[in-house]
Amino acid sequence: GAGVSQSPSNKVTEKGKDVELRCDPISGHTALYWYRQSLGQGLEFLIYFQGNSAPDKSGLPSDRFSAERTGGSVSTLTIQRTQQEDSAVYLCASSLAPGNSGNTIYFGEGSWLTVV
Amino acid sequence: QKEVEQNSGPLSVPEGAIASLNCTYSDRGSQSFFWYRQYSGKSPELIMFIYSNGDKEDGRFTAQLNKASQYVSLLIRDSQPSDSATYLCAVNQNDYKLSFGAGTTVTVRA
Repeated sequence: GAGVSQSPSNKVTEKGKDVELRCDPISGHTALYWYRQSLGQGLEFLIYFQGNSAPDKSGLPSDRFSAERTGGSVSTLTIQRTQQEDSAVYLCASSLAPGNSGNTIYFGEGSWLTVV
Repeated sequence: QKEVEQNSGPLSVPEGAIASLNCTYSDRGSQSFFWYRQYSGKSPELIMFIYSNGDKEDGRFTAQLNKASQYVSLLIRDSQPSDSATYLCAVNQNDYKLSFGAGTTVTVRA
């Protein structure tokens, strides 16, 4: 696609429910990232994929969070037993290669999650 | 101490003026520095990156880096109402992970 596509764009869920957030990166981009942005806060790194493997999961806040990537393309971020503090915008991004070597990181529009 | 610190603003400037945004970082080993613009309700968009000490200009934007002082800034010349947004400073932690500041909100008054 033309850009990074995320779905759903908005999700309201009840506390304790599981949610899945989907990211479709730019075609050909091998690097994929998930970040979280809470109101008034900077972006918080969650996880990085290079191809289908995730060499760095260090940013996942707890074991309720997991992510996978299949076919070197689509990624799913799953939050189990959601809590109110999980309410945030979840941003997916992709780049041709790891972004800090000069490859631009492109962000999707985000999935706005509200846990009530 | 946060890894990347920015003044939250809001920074209000009249149209045509220079907006100056500042960012400090804690990791002396950081090599890559980025400025993202984020309109309300939209995703961050890269506008500048800088790797070397000194100034880097791109159109109306100038990024300035001083690694000794662990300081990076962004100047927006001839500010336009369309420049009204939140500007995020980002610094690399390694070759794939970025640390972001909380952002500075800029409002350009027509």
